[in-house]
Amino acid sequence: AQKVTQAQTEISVVEKEDVTLDCVYETRDTTYYLFWYKQPPSGELVFLIRRNSFDEQNEISGRYSWNFQKSTSSFNFTITASQVVDSAVYFCALSEVDNQGGKLIFGQGTELSVKP
Amino acid sequence: KAGVTQTPRYLIKTRGQQVTLSCSPISGHRSVSWYQQTPGQGLQFLFEYFSETQRNKGNFPGRFSGRQFSNSRSEMNVSTLELGDSALYLCASSSGLVMKDTQYFGPGTRLTVL
Repeated sequence: AQKVTQAQTEISVVEKEDVTLDCVYETRDTTYYLFWYKQPPSGELVFLIRRNSFDEQNEISGRYSWNFQKSTSSFNFTITASQVVDSAVYFCALSEVDNQGGKLIFGQGTELSVKP
Repeated sequence: KAGVTQTPRYLIKTRGQQVTLSCSPISGHRSVSWYQQTPGQGLQFLFEYFSETQRNKGNFPGRFSGRQFSNSRSEMNVSTLELGDSALYLCASSSGLVMKDTQYFGPGTRLTVL
């Protein structure tokens, strides 16, 4: 069965620290997509990144970077030099290519608190 | 482009009532998915509509239903409300043409059942 696990429920850091959010997934498919979303207090889920199962290159976008390792079924997210505005709940999600449509399987989320 | 919009943003209902939530997707998107978010169960998939047809459904009772109109706007309905239906209901839109499409979410409707 498909599953996404975010073992870290809450993380608290001080501004400018680096922080890594862990995501481990389970799927029987060879083709799938992984996502990260950010949920600020307003509630809307904001899309951050999409990765397909055939592309294991790490990606960097400004202070954000993602490390995808198929060997360990992990898709970790690192924020470098964290800022107070990064405080939010972050969700990792899995989508399988042969699903009937529209279904994302989410992890439980990691609440990140960045203190000044 | 305008983002996904959801109305109303907040709702308070009592047990036994029914409720209808509305979602307008990003212009040009034909797929709308609905999710329920609760502190205990997290984010759970309800159903997805594409071109007025339900393509996928999660594990929710029949009290939860939805539909999609020809302009791609979608509504979800919950009948005979229970206390446990209190949640943030999020809808997301995508082109729906390929499964890898990114889903873009609206701000959600927060439903409180008293």
